[in-house]
Amino acid sequence: QSVLTQPPSVSEAPGQRVTISCTGSSSNIGAGYDVHWYQQLPGTAPKLLIYGNSNRPSGVPDRFSGSKSGTSASLAITGLQAEDEADYYCQSYDTSLSARYVFGTGTKVTVL
Amino acid sequence: QVQLQESGPGLVKPSETLSLTCTVSGGSVSSGNSYWSWIRQPPGKGLEWIGYIYVSGSTNYNPSLKSRVTISVDTSKNQFSLKLSSVTAADTAIYYCARLEADGYYFDYWGQGTLVTVSS
Repeated sequence: QSVLTQPPSVSEAPGQRVTISCTGSSSNIGAGYDVHWYQQLPGTAPKLLIYGNSNRPSGVPDRFSGSKSGTSASLAITGLQAEDEADYYCQSYDTSLSARYVFGTGTKVTVL
Repeated sequence: QVQLQESGPGLVKPSETLSLTCTVSGGSVSSGNSYWSWIRQPPGKGLEWIGYIYVSGSTNYNPSLKSRVTISVDTSKNQFSLKLSSVTAADTAIYYCARLEADGYYFDYWGQGTLVTVSS
């Protein structure tokens, strides 16, 4: 079981805005470790979407944005498009029990 | 542009050792800003970090798998490898190799993944 919790699914109509939460604790996000986000289209490998809480790699549309506050982080997608239908995962570093890199539980975004 | 490609058997028998290799192109495993990693994803489930190796040979493994995992690097072939011993059906997953960026600790390059099924 992951130490980073995400909602299992979110859905919205095209053109709308969705947000995905990533809830951690004082041993990971709350300890100051950065949060990164990945998009996994069906049948493909994950792709880096946001790094360092709010930075977009080259080529990622500015419709995607990230933020972090306290023990949580969020990914927002504005102007939702059909091609955004995918699984999204947050990732950080955790020091509880023993140090390791951890992923969130994942969120399925459905474009209605 | 760094590219990674996994290779290895797609079927492993229970109690045996899973062995996979990741070939890196467009970059070097000797790069000082890279930790070469393995991540897995059971069918229909989430992602689990397995471990990484640095060019110096130093490794870091997920504590939940540490007793069964070995990651090694071959700089002459620009490859790194994963061995997971005493496998069970619970180890059935898509296995990805990826680069962990050394400054930001995020996975910026991924292989396409390879499905490994544990079954007799």
